[in-house]
Amino acid sequence: NAGVTQTPKFQVLKTGQSMTLQCAQDMNHNSMYWYRQDPGMGLRLIYYSASEGTTDKGEVPNGYNVSRLNKREFSLRLESAAPSQTSVYFCASSELQGSYEQYFGPGTRLTVT
Amino acid sequence: AQTVTQSQPEMSVQEAETVTLSCTYDTSESDYYLFWYKQPPSRQMILVIRQEAYKQQNATENRFSVNFQKAAKSFSLKISDSQLGDAAMYFCAYRSYGQNFVFGPGTRLSVLP
Repeated sequence: NAGVTQTPKFQVLKTGQSMTLQCAQDMNHNSMYWYRQDPGMGLRLIYYSASEGTTDKGEVPNGYNVSRLNKREFSLRLESAAPSQTSVYFCASSELQGSYEQYFGPGTRLTVT
Repeated sequence: AQTVTQSQPEMSVQEAETVTLSCTYDTSESDYYLFWYKQPPSRQMILVIRQEAYKQQNATENRFSVNFQKAAKSFSLKISDSQLGDAAMYFCAYRSYGQNFVFGPGTRLSVLP
């Protein structure tokens, strides 16, 4: 049982380059999330998908796009990377009902130069 | 909007001693969940303990316990018999029904041998 997986683990981009962060979960969860983590600011929600076929903006969506490819997969795309997007990115999943616990992937450390 | 505050950016504790991490939150909801997550140097987010607001009894998980004061909107984490492996960032989080998680900025805990 892999839980939540993310690729890649590390990435360095030049300003203006694009890339897609991949996330997959094998827990049959309905909801998936993308966060960024910056020092002193905790985790801030970028986008989320409450269920397959839906996506919504979170607290800090500017500069990002997402795709909920199917129930398992939720990708985050940076179309034109900027130094301000240097951060650690986490994908998470949870059920809509019950304990509401979120399960996290291992994170992607992204540096934009 | 709900907010979560962790007023201690850093704390330290001697091995085998007890430490308490503070968390306060702001909400107008009466039914919600509170969580403490641990993030060791590996970056993996690990659920430590959760509390349902409708339960008056404080949650306990082995050496970890909480002091939940609903009226004061306070949710502190007590770690007893601290171990070197407890050194990590600790995040307090809030979630109400149908809403997204709100995370605090985190407290970095050091354990001194």
